[in-house]
Amino acid sequence: NAGVMQNPRHLVRRRGQEARLRCSPMKGHSHVYWYRQLPEEGLKFMVYLQKENIIDESGMPKERFSAEFPKEGPSILRIQQVVRGDSAAYFCASSPGTGRPGELFFGEGSRLTVL
Amino acid sequence: AQRVTQPEKLLSVFKGAPVELKCNYSYSGSPELFWYVQYSRQRLQLLLRHISRESIKGFTADLNKGETSFHLKKPFAQEEDSAMYYCALLGGGADGLTFGKGTHLIIQP
Repeated sequence: NAGVMQNPRHLVRRRGQEARLRCSPMKGHSHVYWYRQLPEEGLKFMVYLQKENIIDESGMPKERFSAEFPKEGPSILRIQQVVRGDSAAYFCASSPGTGRPGELFFGEGSRLTVL
Repeated sequence: AQRVTQPEKLLSVFKGAPVELKCNYSYSGSPELFWYVQYSRQRLQLLLRHISRESIKGFTADLNKGETSFHLKKPFAQEEDSAMYYCALLGGGADGLTFGKGTHLIIQP
């Protein structure tokens, strides 16, 4: 089991461009979570998805950010018209959705730099 | 609103000394608390959860509802304990964990 896979690991974008971050959960996991870590800050919850459904997006900025987890393929976090303040590490985590709530398996993160 | 506070950004102790990483939480309901750890060049991973009342790698943590705390303790620190430690809370409603800002633990030889 390869674990949670995120790509790209590093992404550089200019202001105004779009950033797409991908996350493949662990095999057998149907729940995906996205977190953002700003410099000197902890992990901040953004969104929780199950296949084809957004369960909780209370941590997502209202504009420019969107997330999806289609029936086939990875979960995608999309940031439109990026600004310098979007520079951060974005972590994806997955869980099987059964058994142990709160036990998440994390990817290595995608580091976004906005120039 | 739920909140997790880890007051120490950095904690440095000598090998063999006791370790206590502080965590306080704010939540109106009945929380579940966790400690996650990130070793150098590794992924963030679950260390322990209060519900299990377990000791992992010599670490224990007791939920104190009166003080709203969930401090992580180990009686004798080892060099391999050096890592970033995050306290996290799972509240009702949203299923995402709320994390503290983390404490960087350094064990000096």
